[in-house]
Amino acid sequence: DAGVTQSPTHLIKTRGQQVTLRCSPKSGHDTVSWYQQALGQGPQFIFQYYEEEERQRGNFPDRFSGHQFPNYSSELNVNALLLGDSALYLCASSLGTGLSGANVLTFGAGSRLTVL
Amino acid sequence: AQSVAQPEDQVNVAEGNPLTVKCTYSVSGNPYLFWYVQYPNRGLQFLLKYITGDNLVKGSYGFEAEFNKSQTSFHLKKPSALVSDSALYFCAVRDMSFTYKYIFGTGTRLKVLA
Repeated sequence: DAGVTQSPTHLIKTRGQQVTLRCSPKSGHDTVSWYQQALGQGPQFIFQYYEEEERQRGNFPDRFSGHQFPNYSSELNVNALLLGDSALYLCASSLGTGLSGANVLTFGAGSRLTVL
Repeated sequence: AQSVAQPEDQVNVAEGNPLTVKCTYSVSGNPYLFWYVQYPNRGLQFLLKYITGDNLVKGSYGFEAEFNKSQTSFHLKKPSALVSDSALYFCAVRDMSFTYKYIFGTGTRLKVLA
């Protein structure tokens, strides 16, 4: 049973560029959340996708956008990259609406983005 | 605002000794609390959660955590540490006012010495 897969694992961009990160959720999961983990920090919630719509968003600017596809996979897009966007971007999948209790998140290994 | 704090950046313990990784939380209602572990170049792995019921929660790999409502704490424990337990540990709380968001602490690096 495949877990959460993310691509690419590492990438380097320059300021002002755009980046797209991809995530395939764990088999059977229908909800995808994205988190940003800066060096030495805990993961910070970016947004969550369910039924192909952004269901909730954290305190991130509009430069951060996403998409969920009918097969539940997801993309995170970041425009106009800043040096401060350098971080590990984690995708986490879960099952259901999240209202029925404390659904456990299953995390991918992450995509490490370096902005020069 | 909901928050979680991990007061120790690093905890060192000798192999075979008991370990404790501390976590305190602040929420407006009943908390949903979690512990995750992160190994190098790996994603976060779920260890255990507290929703309701028994204050002592047992999880994966011999870990357990004790929920203490009066002290607003959820400390992670293990009776006998292994070198392979060395990793980065995160406490998280479910933000019930922001339904789908989990708030993570800054992490505690556990180093088990042989």
